[in-house]
Amino acid sequence: GAGVSQTPSNKVTEKGKYVELRCDPISGHTALYWYRQSLGQGPEFLIYFQGTGAADDSGLPNDRFFAVRPEGSVSTLKIQRTERGDSAVYLCASSPRGAADTQYFGPGTRLTVL
Amino acid sequence: AQSVAQPEDQVNVAEGNPLTVKCTYSVSGNPYLFWYVQYPNRGLQFLLKYITGDNLVKGSYGFEAEFNKSQTSFHLKKPSALVSDSALYFCAVRPRMDSSYKLIFGSGTRLLVRP
Repeated sequence: GAGVSQTPSNKVTEKGKYVELRCDPISGHTALYWYRQSLGQGPEFLIYFQGTGAADDSGLPNDRFFAVRPEGSVSTLKIQRTERGDSAVYLCASSPRGAADTQYFGPGTRLTVL
Repeated sequence: AQSVAQPEDQVNVAEGNPLTVKCTYSVSGNPYLFWYVQYPNRGLQFLLKYITGDNLVKGSYGFEAEFNKSQTSFHLKKPSALVSDSALYFCAVRPRMDSSYKLIFGSGTRLLVRP
């Protein structure tokens, strides 16, 4: 079946601009996660959705970052007033629901802020 | 603070030899434990996980991992390495008592298998 998809695969923007990154999870998965991976590091948690609601947004670095999942499926990560330090690969994952469930990752969006 | 350590930035082995990629964690309770692999310009692929039961877990592509509670370790192993195993490997944990299902990742270990 189809895996997690993310668009765009690459995004280049200028400092100060607004960007949106999209994640389409595996069909039927109620849990959705966003992570950020900087060069040479492991992924770092940003936000976790259970259905439509953000169950844990403790990883969002500041109020320039926001994410939504209005219908409990597709999610959009929004970054306002981008900074060069936001450059990273943004990974999305989904899982069925349970605590022990495996998270399946998408290919990521590489964001470059010039 | 909860953390995962992968003490080796890189592991080099010859094809056909056994490999071990180390992982230790500092998390309260008995966490769920995971290994993922990342190939260049691709997302993370799930290899295996430990939930409960037998300390030796078998996963994809011939990989296995051993959970050691006293040493808080979850080392990844394979009896005979292939050149195609060369990739970046990440250990991750999810605290069992945490209401958030987020994963805490190590910094990754690059595995290089030489022919």
